[in-house]
Amino acid sequence: AQSVTQLDSHVSVSEGTPVLLRCNYSSSYSPSLFWYVQHPNKGLQLLLKYTSAATLVKGINGFEAEFKKSETSFHLTKPSAHMSDAAEYFCVERGGADGLTFGKGTHLIIQP
Amino acid sequence: NAGVTQTPKFQVLKTGQSMTLQCAQDMNHEYMSWYRQDPGMGLRLIHYSVGAGITDQGEVPNGYNVSRSTTEDFPLRLLSAAPSQTSVYFCASSRGTSGRSYEQYFGPGTRLTVT
Repeated sequence: AQSVTQLDSHVSVSEGTPVLLRCNYSSSYSPSLFWYVQHPNKGLQLLLKYTSAATLVKGINGFEAEFKKSETSFHLTKPSAHMSDAAEYFCVERGGADGLTFGKGTHLIIQP
Repeated sequence: NAGVTQTPKFQVLKTGQSMTLQCAQDMNHEYMSWYRQDPGMGLRLIHYSVGAGITDQGEVPNGYNVSRSTTEDFPLRLLSAAPSQTSVYFCASSRGTSGRSYEQYFGPGTRLTVT
């Protein structure tokens, strides 16, 4: 069974500084990987997805992620954090018919 | 398009009561699924369906039933609610399963408390 590990449960950065949210996946085959964001008391919104095309994937709101097969990683980055980025972020792998495998989430805190 | 809709938004049940969480999508998606979200656990798959008349179990199916009589609707039934089922429930849909890149669209969630 596949598993997704988000290496930090909480990340705190100052507004205007870079954001790095780390994710490792376990699949040995070419995975489909996603990052979703959940703002407080809201549903989930897709930030970006990797589908075996370009290894650097650009998403919405200035986020991007790089797929590194040698490291089984799919880290999410943003050059400059904004207060509105404060949310829960989920790294997700899709595996065939049985849905998505979620990481446990990283809570991003933005300090003013 | 309304996308994925869920009702109710909030529900409080007593232990042993039954209820149905409703989910509907208007995007003609083949694939629909139910997840529960608990603090520190991410989202876990309860049941899923790859088309009308076809359902299967996910990671945490115990205590829940589903059926898929139409493409649009995928209700989740709690047969006899337990406090361990206190959670936020999300319904999701996507275009299909043959392309693993298909994005899943999520509903706004139902917050269920069982006392």
